[in-house]
Amino acid sequence: EIVLTQSPATLSLSPGERATLSCRASQSVSSYLAWYQQKPGQAPSLLIYDASNRATGIPARFSGSGSGTDFTLTISSLEPEDFAVYYCQQRSNWPPLYTFGQGTKLEIK
Amino acid sequence: QVQLVESGGGLVKPGGSLRLSCAASGFTFSDSYMSWIRQAPGKGLEWVSLISTGSTYTNYADSVKGRFTISRDNAKNSLYLQMNSLRAEDTAVYYCARSETGYEYFQHWGQGTLVTVSS
Repeated sequence: EIVLTQSPATLSLSPGERATLSCRASQSVSSYLAWYQQKPGQAPSLLIYDASNRATGIPARFSGSGSGTDFTLTISSLEPEDFAVYYCQQRSNWPPLYTFGQGTKLEIK
Repeated sequence: QVQLVESGGGLVKPGGSLRLSCAASGFTFSDSYMSWIRQAPGKGLEWVSLISTGSTYTNYADSVKGRFTISRDNAKNSLYLQMNSLRAEDTAVYYCARSETGYEYFQHWGQGTLVTVSS
């Protein structure tokens, strides 16, 4: 089973600052990695898929990069609504098993 | 637009059973792989189960294998999760989620239904 490790666990920043979140896989997942945002009391929503493609309606300030085992989610200039928990996720080839990272909480400094 | 609405959650005693439902609309349900994903209170996300479009393939997390059964009724645009032999550690919000072509990711999620296993 592929393990996804996210860092840091908590990131404290101010609006307007740049956020960099990391996700490391225990073995290569090629570019098959997604990022989700979850706000309190809400379901997660897809932000980035295939490591670097923004999902429908996602603002350009969100970008993803990486391949193999190391991935990054970058928010170029934080808006108040961006403070949330972010999860990375991958699916193994066969049998299809899905794993999530443990999450990074992005909080207002 | 895509809507997924879960129901059936509640309080159940350890060893008991519960059946969750997910009503889908706004897309061709029969063309989509569907999953259940759960989140224990204050914890992260855990994938639970997957079902293929025609129900020919299902898969489960080791933590629920042999106790949970996923199913779907394409005529009713509905997804189900039968949960037996429930344990305290199954306490969580359960989300149904839709995967688009390739079923690598979860493009749409319901709002979730809370299952509490406690005596």
